Amino acid sequence: EDQVTQSPEALRLQEGESSSLNCSYTVSGLRGLFWYRQDPGKGPEFLFTLYSAGEEKEKERLKATLTKKESFLHITAPKPEDSATYLCAVVDSSYKLIFGSGTRLLVRP
Amino acid sequence: NAGVTQTPKFQVLKTGQSMTLQCAQDMNHEYMSWYRQDPGMGLRLIHYSVGAGITDQGEVPNGYNVSRSTTEDFPLRLLSAAPSQTSVYFCASRRQGPGEQYFGPGTRLTVT
Repeated sequence: EDQVTQSPEALRLQEGESSSLNCSYTVSGLRGLFWYRQDPGKGPEFLFTLYSAGEEKEKERLKATLTKKESFLHITAPKPEDSATYLCAVVDSSYKLIFGSGTRLLVRP
Repeated sequence: NAGVTQTPKFQVLKTGQSMTLQCAQDMNHEYMSWYRQDPGMGLRLIHYSVGAGITDQGEVPNGYNVSRSTTEDFPLRLLSAAPSQTSVYFCASRRQGPGEQYFGPGTRLTVT
């Protein structure tokens, strides 16, 4: 069965304290992996798409990487405005998105 | 572009009532889908459509109905609301294939 697992469930960081979020997946025929950011009361906002192992994407303080089994979202020197829930999703062989349950990130000033 | 829009933003129903959640997109996307989001469960796919006139079931379709008469609109119907359908509902759209998916702002539904 296709599955996406994110860890940790919640993460508290001090401003400037770098860390990584993990997304491990089992899917037959991976068509892509997505990272989304979700703020309270809002819909998920697209961040990155990764298609093949070894691929990396960057945007401001965020960097996403992909291996054959997992993806990492690295947050460098985070700020309080980076506080949000980060969702990982994979596209399966029938092009449906399968989501993990997310990591709630809180960055304290 | 307005992107993906959803109405209403909030709704309270009594058990057994029916209603339709509206979703529209102005990006000419072929693929549209409905998800529900519950605490600790992540986003779960209810129904999806790959184009006008074509719909299919997702992971949790029971109690919901959809139709796709135009490219722009993809309404979700609750046939007889149950407390287990209390959730936040998101509509999403994208082009065909594995590209990025855009989400609406969500509808928070409470069934009493």
